[in-house]
Amino acid sequence: SAVISQKPSRDICQRGTSLTIQCQVDSQVTMMFWYRQQPGQSLTLIATANQGSEATYESGFVIDKFPISRPNLTFSTLTVSNMSPEDSSIYLCSVEEEDEKLFFGSGTQLSVL
Amino acid sequence: QQPVQSPQAVILREGEDAVINCSSSKALYSVHWYRQKHGEAPVFLMILLKGGEQKGHDKISASFNEKKQQSSLYLTASQLSYSGTYFCGTEIDKQGAQKLVFGQGTRLTINP
Repeated sequence: SAVISQKPSRDICQRGTSLTIQCQVDSQVTMMFWYRQQPGQSLTLIATANQGSEATYESGFVIDKFPISRPNLTFSTLTVSNMSPEDSSIYLCSVEEEDEKLFFGSGTQLSVL
Repeated sequence: QQPVQSPQAVILREGEDAVINCSSSKALYSVHWYRQKHGEAPVFLMILLKGGEQKGHDKISASFNEKKQQSSLYLTASQLSYSGTYFCGTEIDKQGAQKLVFGQGTRLTINP
């Protein structure tokens, strides 16, 4: 199974600032996914990141707020821009492996003051 | 459309059994089950694709009803390590794990 490294593991940020989360996979993958998990809530897909093309965003998420980069087949970043306290969540990257299994990174716990 | 999980929370003693349900008003392409321990990433448990399918390993198994509108996860003779939040996920538009909508989760607590 893929090994996914996500950084930072947690951060406390000021309102109005931006944070970039990095996700590194130990093998080449076509698609990487970014999820958000608000406190005590379920997992919500933010966007799908393909190498070499624009990310595809789900309803309720926009590129200006959550720009994503995917420079190669093993790396992706998610930026949370102009943060507000409502952005306080755990952000998880994931990849799909054979048999439609999702593997998740350990997550980034973000707190916005 | 988010699947509905029940119950929202379960508290058991070690050795007891638990059943977690995941249902939808429409037929589902598949059901994926994940467990997340506190402070950790979700971990894949199993996927069911066919109506009437039953699948399991060790003491954790799952079923998918014939109409493909309900799945149940069975945990028998529960162990302390089973504690965590269980999520079912269903596909959007038959795009596989690429487009999963997760239920709200069921928090399972196993006490000694």
